[in-house]
Amino acid sequence: NAGVTQTPKFRILKIGQSMTLQCTQDMNHNYMYWYRQDPGMGLKLIYYSVGAGITDKGEVPNGYNVSRSTTEDFPLRLELAAPSQTSVYFCASSPGRGIGTYEQYFGPGTRLTVT
Amino acid sequence: DQQVKQNSPSLSVQEGRISILNCDYTNSMFDYFLWYKKYPAEGPTFLISISSIKDKNEDGRFTVFLNKSAKHLSLHIVPSQPGDSAVYFCAAKGSGGSNYKLTFGKGTLLTVNP
Repeated sequence: NAGVTQTPKFRILKIGQSMTLQCTQDMNHNYMYWYRQDPGMGLKLIYYSVGAGITDKGEVPNGYNVSRSTTEDFPLRLELAAPSQTSVYFCASSPGRGIGTYEQYFGPGTRLTVT
Repeated sequence: DQQVKQNSPSLSVQEGRISILNCDYTNSMFDYFLWYKKYPAEGPTFLISISSIKDKNEDGRFTVFLNKSAKHLSLHIVPSQPGDSAVYFCAAKGSGGSNYKLTFGKGTLLTVNP
């Protein structure tokens, strides 16, 4: 199992550009999440999904959009990038049932800089 | 409004000694707590968890203690090893309708010196 994979690892965007951060999990997990981590801060939830076709806002959703057309994929879209979106982005998934229900498995992260 | 607080940004201990990382929370609706470990340039990895119906959970060198009345939990690492050097995040899960979301603390950087 590859677990949770994210692409790209690094990206520099100019203000106003758009991009999609890709996230894929091969553990057949129902729940998926997007977090951002700013320096010296904890992880803040951007969006989450409890299953294909179902998404909802987290703590800091402004400036982002998500979709979940399959169980495996949960891309995060940034429209009109702003310097405040400079951060490290982590995708995670969790089973949602059974053993380890609440344990979230994280991808390696995408480091995004907006200049 | 920080609901999960890790008040020590960093901790330094000698190899072989005990490391104690602390976490406080304010939301009495939290019913499950987790500790994650994060190395630089990697994603967090799950370490150990505890349900609010327990006061202790042990896994090898790692033990988590929960004091519900004080809204406090701690992670003990015995003995500490240089490979334990990492940032440790405390996380809490709410009960009821929001039971799939975790709230994270800011993390504590643990350095284990050889």
